[in-house]
Amino acid sequence: SQTIHQWPATLVQPVGSPLSLECTVEGTSNPNLYWYRQAAGRGLQLLFYSVGIGQISSEVPQNLSASRPQDRQFILSSKKLLLSDSGFYLCAWSFGRLMNTEAFFGQGTRLTVV
Amino acid sequence: QKEVEQNSGPLSVPEGAIASLNCTYSDRGSQSFFWYRQYSGKSPELIMFIYSNGDKEDGRFTAQLNKASQYVSLLIRDSQPSDSATYLCAVKIGRSGNTGKLIFGQGTTLQVKP
Repeated sequence: SQTIHQWPATLVQPVGSPLSLECTVEGTSNPNLYWYRQAAGRGLQLLFYSVGIGQISSEVPQNLSASRPQDRQFILSSKKLLLSDSGFYLCAWSFGRLMNTEAFFGQGTRLTVV
Repeated sequence: QKEVEQNSGPLSVPEGAIASLNCTYSDRGSQSFFWYRQYSGKSPELIMFIYSNGDKEDGRFTAQLNKASQYVSLLIRDSQPSDSATYLCAVKIGRSGNTGKLIFGQGTTLQVKP
């Protein structure tokens, strides 16, 4: 069976500090991978998605970047955090070769920038 | 125009009633539609998916899809207080096999009152 791991669960970082959130998937190959952000009381905003190693699509211009160094590893980064980067960050995966499949979510990281 | 739109609510129904949640989408070529439930502070979990026009039933849940009207809905019969959550509509945008990105609406908050 497939599992997704996302860490850390919570993070408090000062403004201007760097960020690295990691997500890994087990039990499948060549998944589609997604990073979403959810502000308090809001819906999920798609930040990045990837259909393969090194292939990253950015959805929203912002202070963040993503990388996919291995098939089942997806990393969200920032060089300098802003207050507006606070939120609930969710990593998700779906079966890569099948168009009509749902996404499965990790447990999320609650980021507070202070 | 947002790609996926939902009424943010809150939608309040008495216990045992039918809750009706609605969603519209802008990309006429979309093929896959999903309903997720999200409890406060948790990651979304899949309730149902639907690909074809018409109704799809799973226990107390019925998803309805009308591609001509670009409309998808979720009915919850015999609503229970434990159904109180935010319901997220998601649409997979894109037509070819490995490039679909999953876009979410802002979610509808459902409150089921005992």
